[in-house]
Amino acid sequence: RKEVEQDPGPFNVPEGATVAFNCTYSNSASQSFFWYRQDCRKEPKLLMSVYSSGNEDGRFTAQLNRASQYISLLIRDSKLSDSATYLCVVNTNAGKSTFGDGTTLTVKP
Amino acid sequence: GAVVSQHPSRVICKSGTSVKIECRSLDFQATTMFWYRQFPKQSLMLMATSNEGSKATYEQGVEKDKFLINHASLTLSTLTVTSAHPEDSSFYICSATTGMEYGYTFGSGTRLTVV
Repeated sequence: RKEVEQDPGPFNVPEGATVAFNCTYSNSASQSFFWYRQDCRKEPKLLMSVYSSGNEDGRFTAQLNRASQYISLLIRDSKLSDSATYLCVVNTNAGKSTFGDGTTLTVKP
Repeated sequence: GAVVSQHPSRVICKSGTSVKIECRSLDFQATTMFWYRQFPKQSLMLMATSNEGSKATYEQGVEKDKFLINHASLTLSTLTVTSAHPEDSSFYICSATTGMEYGYTFGSGTRLTVV
């Protein structure tokens, strides 16, 4: 079993839809969590950190469920420009980072 | 915000030659930088962790004699792919962090093609 698992998708949704991705992690010592966005043939870019209490940034909401060991990313009112691969990253307090394989989202007109 | 500059962005080289990729943190000091490789439609694979002033820590399966890492200063790490072969063709990305709790800033990546 991988340390960090994501549903690879692809998720194909129409514009305006709400879509959610989950990312499960196996290391209970994980301390910090992030969502990154990667466009085709480009470097990943930090989308948002994930805080214990959950956090929102515009149309994006990130949540952490420590009991079930997963993080989620919710995108509301999807735009064409949201089409990308979304990577979750999980860090342990020992400084180890593990990337998920990514979830591909395609938003269609 | 934190900026990481990586170059070259694209390089084509002949089999058997060596290629050096630079990664610079422009507005912060990075005691630790990371090097990744990404094949098409696959996730980032951590190759090594580069520590300023000390030897890099390589992930299992990564040949340290083939992928030479030098982190000579707090703002510069280099990856040299020695005696490159076509199977080394990939997208190489570096990243740096000001602290694990803040996430990473990635360089723009280097697309290496070995012919």
